[in-house]
Amino acid sequence: QKEVEQNSGPLSVPEGAIASLNCTYSDRGSQSFFWYRQYSGKSPELIMSIYSNGDKEDGRFTAQLNKASQYVSLLIRDSQPSDSATYLCAVNRYGGATNKLIFGTGTLLAVQP
Amino acid sequence: GAVVSQHPSRVICKSGTSVKIECRSLDFQATTMFWYRQFPKKSLMLMATSNEGSKATYEQGVEKDKFLINHASLTLSTLTVTSAHPEDSSFYICSARDKGLSTEAFFGQGTRLTVV
Repeated sequence: QKEVEQNSGPLSVPEGAIASLNCTYSDRGSQSFFWYRQYSGKSPELIMSIYSNGDKEDGRFTAQLNKASQYVSLLIRDSQPSDSATYLCAVNRYGGATNKLIFGTGTLLAVQP
Repeated sequence: GAVVSQHPSRVICKSGTSVKIECRSLDFQATTMFWYRQFPKKSLMLMATSNEGSKATYEQGVEKDKFLINHASLTLSTLTVTSAHPEDSSFYICSARDKGLSTEAFFGQGTRLTVV
């Protein structure tokens, strides 16, 4: 089982719709979760971080965390063509003296104008 | 937000030569820096974790003699790809963790390495 799993997509949504991106993780002890956006040929940029169960909202983005189900999601409201990118879920792996950020394979989102 | 600068952004080198990539945290101190590589349409694969003043910790399957990492200061880490071969061609990305923020990491712009 992979540490962080995502559906690779592509996920296609019409402009203005809600895009829902999902991620599951295997380490029950994980405490920190992140969503990054990566445009083709560019490095990832941090969109959201979430540490507690429940929802966290920031503008059009809402991250949801359910530690019991080992599940984290990202909702994008009023999707825009500029949101088209690969969305990477990342989970902090605790080990020894250093915490490591482990990434899922990413979900490609395509917002259709 | 925190800024991480990575250079060069693109490099083409001949087989057998070595290439050095720099990663700098510009407005914060980074006790830990991470090096990733990414193949086309694949996710980021963690290669190694670099702690200032100590030896890097490499992930399983990553050759430490092939990918030399030096973290000489709180703002600079370097990755040297030694005796590069075409299969080393990839997108290499560094990230740095702010000393004050224990879990968030910020990425450099990435380096597209092509070995011919």
